[in-house]
Amino acid sequence: SAVISQKPSRDICQRGTSLTIQCQVDSQVTMMFWYRQQPGQSLTLIATANQGSEATYESGFVIDKFPISRPNLTFSTLTVSNLSPEDSSIYLCSASGQANEKLFFGSGTQLSVL
Amino acid sequence: QKEVEQDPGPLSVPEGAIVSLNCTYSNSAFQYFMWYRQYSRKGPELLMYTYSSGNKEDGRFTAQVDKSSKYISLFIRDSQPSDSATYLCAMSAYSNTGKLIFGQGTTLQVKP
Repeated sequence: SAVISQKPSRDICQRGTSLTIQCQVDSQVTMMFWYRQQPGQSLTLIATANQGSEATYESGFVIDKFPISRPNLTFSTLTVSNLSPEDSSIYLCSASGQANEKLFFGSGTQLSVL
Repeated sequence: QKEVEQDPGPLSVPEGAIVSLNCTYSNSAFQYFMWYRQYSRKGPELLMYTYSSGNKEDGRFTAQVDKSSKYISLFIRDSQPSDSATYLCAMSAYSNTGKLIFGQGTTLQVKP
């Protein structure tokens, strides 16, 4: 299984600012994804990070709010923009290897917005 | 109605007990079923992965899928305090996809 590192592990941000989360995988992976885990709720897919092209967003998530980059096969960033207290959540990076259906997760970033 | 329903618990059992965790779902297109374990302040860790109906065993863990009833289960035998965590069921209609639909998660506490 791939080892997925995320940073920061947690942050406290002011309303109106942005936070960029980095995700590094220890091997080349086919697919990378970003999930959100709100308190007491299910994990929800935000978007698929596509290498060298625009991310594919799920219903309810937009690029202006959650810009994503994926410059190569092992690295991706998620930015949460114009923060509000409703953005307080855990954000998780995930990846699946080549010809591997199984999805693995990083340890997550706990974001608190004041 | 949520696509995947999972009782959030918490579920508290004594050490050595058999634990049964369950999810129901509404989408008959789901074919791939997973159980993840998540410790506090950690990311989900894949425990079991099954395709279609049937049983799969791995050590103390057994996953069951009943597609006719749209019901999946995870059994933990001889439960240990180290099993205390949140267990998430997840499912998908397609392989090689990151778009998993998760249950809310069940919090399990195994008391020594």
